[in-house]
Amino acid sequence: AQSVAQPEDQVNVAEGNPLTVKCTYSVSGNPYLFWYVQYPNRGLQFLLKYITGDNLVKGSYGFEAEFNKSQTSFHLKKPSALVSDSALYFCAVRDIPDTGFQKLVFGTGTRLLVSP
Amino acid sequence: DVKVTQSSRYLVKRTGEKVFLECVQDMDHENMFWYRQDPGLGLRLIYFSYDVKMKEKGDIPEGYSVSREKKERFSLILESASTNQTSMYLCASSPRMSSYEQYFGPGTRLTVT
Repeated sequence: AQSVAQPEDQVNVAEGNPLTVKCTYSVSGNPYLFWYVQYPNRGLQFLLKYITGDNLVKGSYGFEAEFNKSQTSFHLKKPSALVSDSALYFCAVRDIPDTGFQKLVFGTGTRLLVSP
Repeated sequence: DVKVTQSSRYLVKRTGEKVFLECVQDMDHENMFWYRQDPGLGLRLIYFSYDVKMKEKGDIPEGYSVSREKKERFSLILESASTNQTSMYLCASSPRMSSYEQYFGPGTRLTVT
């Protein structure tokens, strides 16, 4: 089965500094990878996805992610963090079990705290 | 704008009660999902449905059931609530051919006492 790992429970960064939230994946075949964000008391919101093409994917709110096949990673990045970026971030991968129905498998989440 | 709504934001129930969590989407999506979210465990899929009256077990279906009588509505049922079902429950929907592009509701925080 496909899986993703988020090795950091929490990432702390000062406002204005670059941020990186890490994700590694384990898949058979070509990966479909996603990032979602959850702001306090809100549902998950889609940020960006990688399916094919350019290894640098741009998404919402100034975020981008870099797909690295050799390192099996899909790290989320932003050049300059904002306090309002503080949230819970989830990496996810598409899974196709024996039923053939495509579904998402989520990581455990990384809490990003941006200090003023 | 796409919208997935859930009937309650916060719910407190007693052990042994039957609990209904309702989810409605207005995007005419074929696929609907129920997840639970727990700290350190991320999101885990409970059940999903790819059509009216169709349902499939996810990764953690024990203790839950679902109902989908109409395309826009997907209900999660806890037949006899237990304290270990205290959690955040998230509903999502997606189009038929891209079930990995999911839109989420705001969540229901259920506490079972």
